[in-house]
Amino acid sequence: NAGVTQTPKFQVLKTGQSMTLQCAQDMNHEYMSWYRQDPGMGLRLIHYSVGAGITDQGEVPNGYNVSRSTTEDFPLRLLSAAPSQTSVYFCASSFGVGTGGRREKLFFGSGTQLSVL
Amino acid sequence: SQQGEEDPQALSIQEGENATMNCSYKTSINNLQWYRQNSGRGLVHLILIRSNEREKHSGRLRVTLDTSKKSSSLLITASRAADTASYFCATDDRGSTLGRLYFGRGTQLTVWP
Repeated sequence: NAGVTQTPKFQVLKTGQSMTLQCAQDMNHEYMSWYRQDPGMGLRLIHYSVGAGITDQGEVPNGYNVSRSTTEDFPLRLLSAAPSQTSVYFCASSFGVGTGGRREKLFFGSGTQLSVL
Repeated sequence: SQQGEEDPQALSIQEGENATMNCSYKTSINNLQWYRQNSGRGLVHLILIRSNEREKHSGRLRVTLDTSKKSSSLLITASRAADTASYFCATDDRGSTLGRLYFGRGTQLTVWP
């Protein structure tokens, strides 16, 4: 069982370039999310999805787009990369939200280290 | 935001000692979770405690939750060098139907052999 798979593991971009970070899960999870992790900042939620065709913004959505056409895939797009987007990006998934916003445990991918020059 | 805050930011102990990390949060929750992150890796779920629970054990881990103080603690007993990692608490938000999970900044634990 692969779990949550992120590609690529490392990426270097020039300012203004675009790219897509890929995330796929094989656990039939309804919920998928993207976090970025910066030194001293913990993990901050970028975008999330509660099912195919449904996405919403998290805490730091600016500069990022997402879509969810299938249950398995949740790509994160950087349309015009900026140095401020240099970070480690994690995709995470879980089963659907319970009553009252209850969130069960997240399964994380191994991360993508992105550098924007 | 509903971000949890871990304390201390860094903790350094000898093998065999116990390690205690604390987490405080701001609003009512359904669940509080603890995660571990080894250097350069993704986060791994350790334990989940529900708002109606006060204590939970899993192997060498003991988690307590005090909803009146909006705080939790993670105790790792008989620490090993392999426990060296960052530890994060994460909370959901009982007042929201969105099911977002908010993370703290983490405690960096170093266990010396």
